Amino acid sequence: KNQVEQSPQSLIILEGKNCTLQCNYTVSPFSNLRWYKQDTGRGPVSLTIMTFSENTKSNGRYTATLDADTKQSSLHITASQLSDSASYICVVSLERSNDYKLSFGAGTTVTVRA
Amino acid sequence: DTEVTQTPKHLVMGMTNKKSLKCEQHMGHRAMYWYKQKAKKPPELMFVYSYEKLSINESVPSRFSPECPNSSLLNLHLHALQPEDSALYLCASSQDAVSLVDEQFFGPGTRLTVL
Repeated sequence: KNQVEQSPQSLIILEGKNCTLQCNYTVSPFSNLRWYKQDTGRGPVSLTIMTFSENTKSNGRYTATLDADTKQSSLHITASQLSDSASYICVVSLERSNDYKLSFGAGTTVTVRA
Repeated sequence: DTEVTQTPKHLVMGMTNKKSLKCEQHMGHRAMYWYKQKAKKPPELMFVYSYEKLSINESVPSRFSPECPNSSLLNLHLHALQPEDSALYLCASSQDAVSLVDEQFFGPGTRLTVL
């Protein structure tokens, strides 16, 4: 069974601080890994997408890393802002043609406090 | 235009009602998806349309009926729903369902409450 595990489930940080979210996956064969940000009651918005050969990718204050050998990814948020409060979802896709499924993690809920 | 739009934003319906959710994209994407998301859970895939044809039905009950009138529009017809069907319904699209590198763009969702 393909699985994507995220940790922590939730975290609270002070505005201006940094934080790192973790994603471990057992999806195989692996195609790509995406991080989405989802505000409450809204659809997910893509932050980064990385393929097997990419180790790191940045999008503003968000930096994702990928270790395909250990099947781990992290999302680092730098200098957090109140607007960063959201759920962050790790999504992994299979490297199989005609397979439309994405494996979603349960998400990490981040709360940024002033 | 890089948006996926969904209407309505909120919907409250009784178990005997018939209603429809609508999704629209004008990015030229040929794959469109319906997901169901319960609170604090990841989205669950319901249906996939590829080139306007239903290609995946994840064993969804027949009280949910998808329709793809054209390449830009995706509907989800609802009839005789149960309270446990209350959830956020997300629509997504991607350039080509077959290519797994293509990113899925999500709409803002419709918050459905079944009384």
